Amino acid sequence: GAVVSQHPSRVICKSGTSVKIECRSLDFQATTMFWYRQFPKKSLMLMATSNEGSKATYEQGVEKDKFLINHASLTLSTLTVTSAHPEDSSFYICSAPVGSTDTQYFGPGTRLTVL
Amino acid sequence: AQSVTQLDSHVSVSEGTPVLLRCNYSSSYSPSLFWYVQHPNKGLQLLLKYTSAATLVKGINGFEAEFKKSETSFHLTKPSAHMSDAAEYFCVVSGFRGGYNKLIFGAGTRLAVHP
Repeated sequence: GAVVSQHPSRVICKSGTSVKIECRSLDFQATTMFWYRQFPKKSLMLMATSNEGSKATYEQGVEKDKFLINHASLTLSTLTVTSAHPEDSSFYICSAPVGSTDTQYFGPGTRLTVL
Repeated sequence: AQSVTQLDSHVSVSEGTPVLLRCNYSSSYSPSLFWYVQHPNKGLQLLLKYTSAATLVKGINGFEAEFKKSETSFHLTKPSAHMSDAAEYFCVVSGFRGGYNKLIFGAGTRLAVHP
């Protein structure tokens, strides 16, 4: 199956700093990628849709200035959490559909802890 | 609009006994339905997918699910649970919004398997 990677797998940062998380499709091209946030023992919440070559589409209630998304190539999308605060601590997961199908492949996730 | 309801937040079974994880969906058209599994601190792995072909879908690791339109259900089953099946399971429906398919997640069911 298709492989999606994320880097880093874990990151700890101080409050007020910015953190960048990368999502890569390793063996296929993805014009669209999705970013999710998962709170402990909770389901996944879609944050935004990353579109290659254009602006991301954010879900209602997600601050676009806080969660910056850049989809610079057909295999890479980045999520930058700006001026991170402890409440931003969470598990962030990306996914990408293969071709025009609605099957998505998920990255392994990034655990962000803001002190 | 599409939605999905997982009827049990926790299911506990003994090793070697059957597993049943229940899911009901709501969709205004014929949906694509998925089951994903998430092991602790890991990303999501696709177990199986329904896309209007056979109503009984076989997935990986011995899991299968049956699509029942009359009951709007897509329950996940396995004849005999293994200890390694202990994980979080998500029932997911694909919703077409804004030109692409978004995944809508159920709240998840935590499966515990006891010796």
